[in-house]
Amino acid sequence: AQSVTQLDSQVPVFEEAPVELRCNYSSSVSVYLFWYVQYPNQGLQLLLKYLSGSTLVKGINGFEAEFNKSQTSFHLRKPSVHISDTAEYFCAVSDRAAGNKLTFGGGTRVLVKP
Amino acid sequence: DGGITQSPKYLFRKEGQNVTLSCEQNLNHDAMYWYRQDPGQGLRLIYYSQIVNDFQKGDIAEGYSVSREKKESFPLTVTSAQKNPTAFYLCASSIEAPFGYTFGSGTRLTVV
Repeated sequence: AQSVTQLDSQVPVFEEAPVELRCNYSSSVSVYLFWYVQYPNQGLQLLLKYLSGSTLVKGINGFEAEFNKSQTSFHLRKPSVHISDTAEYFCAVSDRAAGNKLTFGGGTRVLVKP
Repeated sequence: DGGITQSPKYLFRKEGQNVTLSCEQNLNHDAMYWYRQDPGQGLRLIYYSQIVNDFQKGDIAEGYSVSREKKESFPLTVTSAQKNPTAFYLCASSIEAPFGYTFGSGTRLTVV
């Protein structure tokens, strides 16, 4: 079964500074990778996804992620954060063997400070 | 607009009572899922259904039950057998792989 590890449970960052959220998954032949964002007391919203092709994926709100197959990683980055980026971020993975069932990481809480 | 509706947003129940959380979607998605979210534990899969009249247990199904009589609806019942039911519950739906899920806005259940 797949597993997903988000290495940082909390990331404090100052406004307009860059941020990187780390995500590693257990190896599989063919995976699909996702990043979701959750604002307080709300559901999850898709930020971006990697299905195939270019390893650099651009998403909404200025976020991007890079798929690294050799390191089984899918780290999320934003070059300059805003206060409104304060939220919890979840990495998720699915593979062909599991159909479309997603496995989620434990989440990373980002706190943007003024 | 298409989407997933979870109701109610907040729910309070006394210990020992069963409670049913509603999840309805108008996206024409075949698959639906229920997740439980606790602080610091991410999302844990309770049940999922890939087609009407069929569903499978997830990682933490004990104390929960579901039904899938209609494509649009996937209600979750939290039974009195669930030892620690207070949590945030999220419903999601999807089309076939690999396009990810669409989530509802969640129901926060508090058992007192």
